[in-house]
Amino acid sequence: ETGVTQTPRHLVMGMTNKKSLKCEQHLGHNAMYWYKQSAKKPLELMFVYNFKEQTENNSVPSRFSPECPNSSHLFLHLHTLQPEDSALYLCASSQDYQAANSPLHFGNGTRLTVT
Amino acid sequence: KQEVTQIPAALSVPEGENLVLNCSFTDSAIYNLQWFRQDPGKGLTSLLLIQSSQREQTSGRLNASLDKSSGRSTLYIAASQPGDSATYLCAVAVGDSNYQLIWGAGTKLIIKP
Repeated sequence: ETGVTQTPRHLVMGMTNKKSLKCEQHLGHNAMYWYKQSAKKPLELMFVYNFKEQTENNSVPSRFSPECPNSSHLFLHLHTLQPEDSALYLCASSQDYQAANSPLHFGNGTRLTVT
Repeated sequence: KQEVTQIPAALSVPEGENLVLNCSFTDSAIYNLQWFRQDPGKGLTSLLLIQSSQREQTSGRLNASLDKSSGRSTLYIAASQPGDSATYLCAVAVGDSNYQLIWGAGTKLIIKP
C-alpha cells in the first residue's frame, strides 16, 4: 500500500459521541497535517506535526484533539462536536515541514456529519 | 494579509475546448504557487508547482503561468475531456521563517460530453 490512507471514509456522529479519525502515510515523510474543508471555503489548516512533534495549532477548538504516535500515523480525536463541524477532514504529509519544494500528498479524506 | 481568489467558482464548457482557470493573490511575496485537482469526495492531487522565479510549468495538456507582479496565475487546459471535470484549487506559499500555504476556494469545472 502506498500514499496516504484515511479511515473511515464516512462518519456520522451525534454531538455527545466520541470518535477518532485515522491517517497513515507510507511515503516516509516527516511532516503530517490535518485540514478541514467546508463547502465553498478555502482549506483550513488545523494541526501540523513534524517528526511527531506538534508545531502548529491554528486556534482549533479543544473538542478536536490530535495525536501523532509516530511519523507514519496521525489521529484526530473528536468529542462533543457541533453541527458546524460537519466537513471533509483531510490528512496530508510532506517530506519536510515548511519546505517550499516539498509538495503535499493528500489522503481521500473523512466525510464527517454531526447530527 | 495574503488572500487568494479563484473566479469563477464554477465553469461548464463543451468537450474539446481549451480553457483557462484563474487564480489571483494580493501579495507578490510568495515562494511558489501550486495547482491542485480534487475529484468529488476525494483528496487533492498536486498538478503543477511554479517556483517564484519561474514563469510557467507544463505537464501534458496542462500549462500553468505565474505573473507575480500582477498577482495572477492561470491554469490552461488544452483539448478538455470529461475526465478533466473536477475542482481545481490554487495555493500560494508565503512566510518568512514560517512558510505556510494560503488556499483559494477553488473552481469547479464541468466538461460536457
